[in-house]
Amino acid sequence: DADVTQTPRNRITKTGKRIMLECSQTKGHDRMYWYRQDPGLGLRLIYYSFDVKDINKGEISDGYSVSRQAQAKFSLSLESAIPNQTALYFCATSDASGTGNQPQHFGDGTRLSIL
Amino acid sequence: QKEVEQDPGPLSVPEGAIVSLNCTYSNSAFQYFMWYRQYSRKGPELLMYTYSSGNKEDGRFTAQVDKSSKYISLFIRDSQPSDSATYLCAPSLGNQFYFGTGTSLTVIP
Repeated sequence: DADVTQTPRNRITKTGKRIMLECSQTKGHDRMYWYRQDPGLGLRLIYYSFDVKDINKGEISDGYSVSRQAQAKFSLSLESAIPNQTALYFCATSDASGTGNQPQHFGDGTRLSIL
Repeated sequence: QKEVEQDPGPLSVPEGAIVSLNCTYSNSAFQYFMWYRQYSRKGPELLMYTYSSGNKEDGRFTAQVDKSSKYISLFIRDSQPSDSATYLCAPSLGNQFYFGTGTSLTVIP
């Protein structure tokens, strides 16, 4: 089983719908992240969480919300989806232990299309 | 100015060639530097992780950081078709990672 699991893998929906993307991890990491990836723009950070009680906005949080339900679970919601939120979404985790920045470990992504 | 600049390619090389992938960055405070490999329809996977200036080698892969020039490189020796992927550089500072847009590499058998 994958260490970082994202569901669903693909989703097509309509403008205005509420959507939730889910992420679960078995790595035991405290830190979790949500990114979106667009051609030519690379990975951009939406939200991140350093523990269950910690939620922080990233570079492009407008139109998104998150919930950290447990150490292992971090979900991303689009309250009212719009077409320019069509993208590939990735969840990532990292360990908080040790010195310096620990590398991030990614799931295989959710391909979201909003019509 | 973007924090990280990376030539998107695409780059196409014959099998066995030496590949050089590069990024430049603007923030001299970056301390940790990572390279990720991303296959089609998969998430990025960590390839190399280095701290400050210098070289780090792992098998056919060498990561090089030149902080004075704000330049990071990934070299792939004896490239293989299985190396065909997109490569992303990612310097970091504090709790933030700054990803390049990625360079698409194809190794032709």
